[in-house]
Amino acid sequence: AQSVTQPDIHITVSEGASLELRCNYSYGATPYLFWYVQSPGQGLQLLLKYFSGDTLVQGIKGFEAEFKRSQSSFNLRKPSVHWSDAAEYFCAVGAGLTGGGNKLTFGTGTQLKVEL
Amino acid sequence: GAVVSQHPSRVICKSGTSVKIECRSLDFQATTMFWYRQFPKQSLMLMATSNEGSKATYEQGVEKDKFLINHASLTLSTLTVTSAHPEDSSFYICSARVLGLGDTQYFGPGTRLTVL
Repeated sequence: AQSVTQPDIHITVSEGASLELRCNYSYGATPYLFWYVQSPGQGLQLLLKYFSGDTLVQGIKGFEAEFKRSQSSFNLRKPSVHWSDAAEYFCAVGAGLTGGGNKLTFGTGTQLKVEL
Repeated sequence: GAVVSQHPSRVICKSGTSVKIECRSLDFQATTMFWYRQFPKQSLMLMATSNEGSKATYEQGVEKDKFLINHASLTLSTLTVTSAHPEDSSFYICSARVLGLGDTQYFGPGTRLTVL
């Protein structure tokens, strides 16, 4: 069975600073990987996804993530954080032949706080 | 595109009553929808997978007689919490699978259920 680990429960960064959120996955086949963001009391918004091809994936709001098979990682990065980026971030892995359409397994999330 | 709505956004009910939550895909057809439950400051737990025109597939430990799922059309799935109890209070989020757009799940804004 697949699993996702987000080692950092909370992260605090200053506005304008760079950001990296860690995600490690466990899955026997080629993974389908996702990053979602959740604001308080809201649903999840898709930031970016990796299915195949270029291992550096660009997403919305200036986010990017890099798939590293050797490290089983899919870390999320942003070069300059804005105060509006404060939210909960979830990494997820999709299983099955049609990855994202089948079950998603989520990590426990990383709460990002941005200091002004 | 790929917008998913949920109704209601918040509901408060008395113990023993039933509550129905609707999940709609607004600008696409979804053959598969998913229902998740999220406890405060925790990750999303998949409850069931709902396929249009067929019975839902429930995850282990989820009571199918308590959480009734109906997916009668390609744009609507409903979750009915029957005989609700305070321990059913939670944040319920649905997602819809989009075929042809990288096979990705797009999430609704969630429904906050409080059972008194």
